[in-house]
Amino acid sequence: QKEVEQNSGPLSVPEGAIASLNCTYSDRGSQSFFWYRQYSGKSPELIMFIYSNGDKEDGRFTAQLNKASQYVSLLIRDSQPSDSATYLCAVNMEYGNKLVFGAGTILRVKS
Amino acid sequence: NAGVMQNPRHLVRRRGQEARLRCSPMKGHSHVYWYRQLPEEGLKFMVYLQKENIIDESGMPKERFSAEFPKEGPSILRIQQVVRGDSAAYFCASSPLTGTMGATQYFGPGTRLTVL
Repeated sequence: QKEVEQNSGPLSVPEGAIASLNCTYSDRGSQSFFWYRQYSGKSPELIMFIYSNGDKEDGRFTAQLNKASQYVSLLIRDSQPSDSATYLCAVNMEYGNKLVFGAGTILRVKS
Repeated sequence: NAGVMQNPRHLVRRRGQEARLRCSPMKGHSHVYWYRQLPEEGLKFMVYLQKENIIDESGMPKERFSAEFPKEGPSILRIQQVVRGDSAAYFCASSPLTGTMGATQYFGPGTRLTVL
C-alpha cells in the first residue's frame, strides 16, 4: 500500500464548476497535510496546509481533513482554466520532518 | 524576493562527471530539504539538513550522493560519477525554525539535471 494515494486523473471540469481532489494516507501518526500545485516544468507551489479535523477555507480553496478516515481533500470553487495543473497531496508525520507526496492528480479546467 | 534560490537552473553533465546543486533557503529558514522528481514520477524525499547537521538522509542513494549545509553559504547536493538515471529535477525546500508554520515547506525553482 502506498503511503499517500491520489487518483492520477485527469480530472476534467468545466470552467466555473467545483473541482474535488482527494487523497488518502496510510500512517495514522501523520500530523500535517499539504496541498501543492505544480504546473508542467515548474516547482511545487504551496496552496494550503491543514492540521486539524474539519474544513479550512482560503479564497476559492477549501481543504478538508478527516483523520479517522485518513483522508484529506481539496475543493476548488469557480474553477478557472489557470487552475489546470497537477495537484500534489503531501503528508508529514512529525514537526520539521520530510514530506511524503502522492503521485498527484492532473486537473483540467475546460473553458 | 526572499524565496528559496537554487542554481544552476539547468545542468548538463556527461556520464562519470560530478554535479553540484546549490540551494539558499528563504530568509529566516534554517531547515533545508532536498527532493528528486524523476520524469513522469512523483516527488521523493532525499535528505533533510540543518546548519552543519544532516538530520535525515533516509532517501539518499547509498553511493555517489552526498549533501551538506555549512555554517556559511548554501546547501550543496553533490552527485559523483553521474549516470543517465540521475537525470531528473532536483528541488530544494526550506522551512522556518519554529511556530505553527514550522512544518510548512516552500520550494525553490529546481535544478533540471540532464546526463548525456
